[in-house]
Amino acid sequence: DAGVTQSPTHLIKTRGQQVTLRCSPKSGHDTVSWYQQALGQGPQFIFQYYEEEERQRGNFPDRFSGHQFPNYSSELNVNALWLGDSALYLCASSLSGQTNYGYTFGSGTRLTVV
Amino acid sequence: QQPVQSPQAVILREGEDAVINCSSSKALYSVHWYRQKHGEAPVFLMILLKGGEQKGHEKISASFNEKKQQSSLYLTASQLSYSGTYFCGTAWMDSSYKLIFGSGTRLLVRP
Repeated sequence: DAGVTQSPTHLIKTRGQQVTLRCSPKSGHDTVSWYQQALGQGPQFIFQYYEEEERQRGNFPDRFSGHQFPNYSSELNVNALWLGDSALYLCASSLSGQTNYGYTFGSGTRLTVV
Repeated sequence: QQPVQSPQAVILREGEDAVINCSSSKALYSVHWYRQKHGEAPVFLMILLKGGEQKGHEKISASFNEKKQQSSLYLTASQLSYSGTYFCGTAWMDSSYKLIFGSGTRLLVRP
């Protein structure tokens, strides 16, 4: 049973560039949440996608946007990258957008902005 | 908004017990517990829902005190494999689909 798949695993970008990260949820899951994890910190909630819509958003600027496709996969886009965006980006999938089910996390995309 | 975890770090000898606490400033809908090893994804341990239940298996269990808006994770007779960072994730009653994580508790189990 495939878990959550994220791509790419590592990425190096220059300040001002744009990046797209991809996530395929665990089979049977229909909800995708995106998190940013700085070194030594807990995951910070970016947003959640359910039924192809952004359901809830954390305290992140509009430079962070996303999309969910009919097959439940999702993309995270970050525009105008700056050094502070360097982090591990985690995708978590779950059922029905509710938190009464456990989340399954992917291994993440390590983004470095130089 | 972020739940508060304590302690920040724990060092144990193999076989010792530990308790990790998580507290929220608002009424909770659910509490999740995850363990993350260095360079790996967080792994789901258990979930506790509104109602004061306690869950888990023999050596790792958790409780949820609804009145105090607190949860505790109990690690009994710790094993080397328990080492890692433990995160609690909380969802509030008024936004039950938004899971917010604490800053984590680093646990090191030594032989």
